[in-house]
Amino acid sequence: EAGVVQSPRYKIIEKKQPVAFWCNPISGHNTLYWYRQNLGQGPELLIRYENEEAVDDSQLPKDRFSAERLKGVDSTLKIQPAELGDSAVYLCASSLDGRAGETQYFGPGTRLLVL
Amino acid sequence: GEDVEQSLFLSVREGDSSVINCTYTDSSSTYLYWYKQEPGAGLQLLTYIFSNMDMKQDQRLTVLLNKKDKHLSLRIADTQTGDSAIYFCAEIYSGAGSYQLTFGKGTKLSVIP
Repeated sequence: EAGVVQSPRYKIIEKKQPVAFWCNPISGHNTLYWYRQNLGQGPELLIRYENEEAVDDSQLPKDRFSAERLKGVDSTLKIQPAELGDSAVYLCASSLDGRAGETQYFGPGTRLLVL
Repeated sequence: GEDVEQSLFLSVREGDSSVINCTYTDSSSTYLYWYKQEPGAGLQLLTYIFSNMDMKQDQRLTVLLNKKDKHLSLRIADTQTGDSAIYFCAEIYSGAGSYQLTFGKGTKLSVIP
């Protein structure tokens, strides 16, 4: 069974440019998460989807970040425009129903470098 | 906000036991987790413990939970070079109906052959 798939694996852009990350969760998983992991830190939740609905986006910087999960399957996270401080690893995770104690499965992440 | 603290580095010799410690602040945590991250990879769930348990053992891994002190530990028996990675402690913060994982900064385990 395929795990969580993310692309691209690496992205280097200049500041003020837009960038997008894509995630395909494990088949049948209703809940999808986007995390940001800064260097030397643990992941921090940006947004959580239950099917196509964003149920927790309180930590998403909405002035420049947007996300969508139109059909409740794969998802895209966008930054426009990117800033130097956005350099980080962006991790996608999925779980079956998003209940407490349910295992979240993580993808390999997209490593973003903003120059 | 909720906080999870871990020591940043641990170095052990191959074959010895490793003990990685974690403290947390949310007394309403229901589940506590240990994740492993190898270089360039995502996070892999190692084990978790429910808050009404004191101990959980899974092959070489033993998790101890002291709920009174809000202290969690992960013991790896017979540590191997393949165990070298960053280990993250995480708790579920269930405030306001949001089941959000809060991670520590991670402990980098180095295994000396």
